[in-house]
Amino acid sequence: DAGVIQSPRHEVTEMGQEVTLRCKPISGHDYLFWYRQTMMRGLELLIYFNNNVPIDDSGMPEDRFSAKMPNASFSTLKIQPSEPRDSAVYFCASSPRTGTNYGYTFGSGTRLTVV
Amino acid sequence: AQSVTQLGSHVSVSEGALVLLRCNYSSSVPPYLFWYVQYPNQGLQLLLKYTSAATLVKGINGFEAEFKKSETSFHLTKPSAHMSDAAEYFCAVSGWAAQKLVFGQGTRLTINP
Repeated sequence: DAGVIQSPRHEVTEMGQEVTLRCKPISGHDYLFWYRQTMMRGLELLIYFNNNVPIDDSGMPEDRFSAKMPNASFSTLKIQPSEPRDSAVYFCASSPRTGTNYGYTFGSGTRLTVV
Repeated sequence: AQSVTQLGSHVSVSEGALVLLRCNYSSSVPPYLFWYVQYPNQGLQLLLKYTSAATLVKGINGFEAEFKKSETSFHLTKPSAHMSDAAEYFCAVSGWAAQKLVFGQGTRLTINP
């Protein structure tokens, strides 16, 4: 298996522009998680899905952020409009189930810079 | 509810010295415990996990951790540090019927030559 695949690896955009981050989870994994990592806040859970349905989006910072999972093999995290404070590394992770000893498999992340 | 506390946001050791990274957890159900490592510009990688079997768990790269229920701890150790061990380390907790992993704040490990 190729693991969790995120694209792009790096994104530089201007303030006010729309940004879309993409994630392909491991086949057969029912759970998908989006995290944001910054120096100031560390690792933050933004939202997670179970069987393509959003379960908990309480970590999404504001309405400018939205996430979708149209099918089991694809998810997007969109920021519209983007702001410099959104600059961070965004990780996607997947798991076959939670509440077990499996843990998560993380992607390599997308480094977002908003100028 | 579950939570994890990592003691020390930065740890610095000399090459060849013992590495000890501390993690204490809180869980209302029997926990599953994990250590992840993050090398610069990379994602988090599973280092080892406790799954309610043996309390001493061995992981990759010579790391191990011991589950101590009485102390609610899951400290990570390595007998002899290598320069390549420089990274950030995250402790995490889950449990039966838990919806998600709960991560600690991370400990940045620096290795001095």
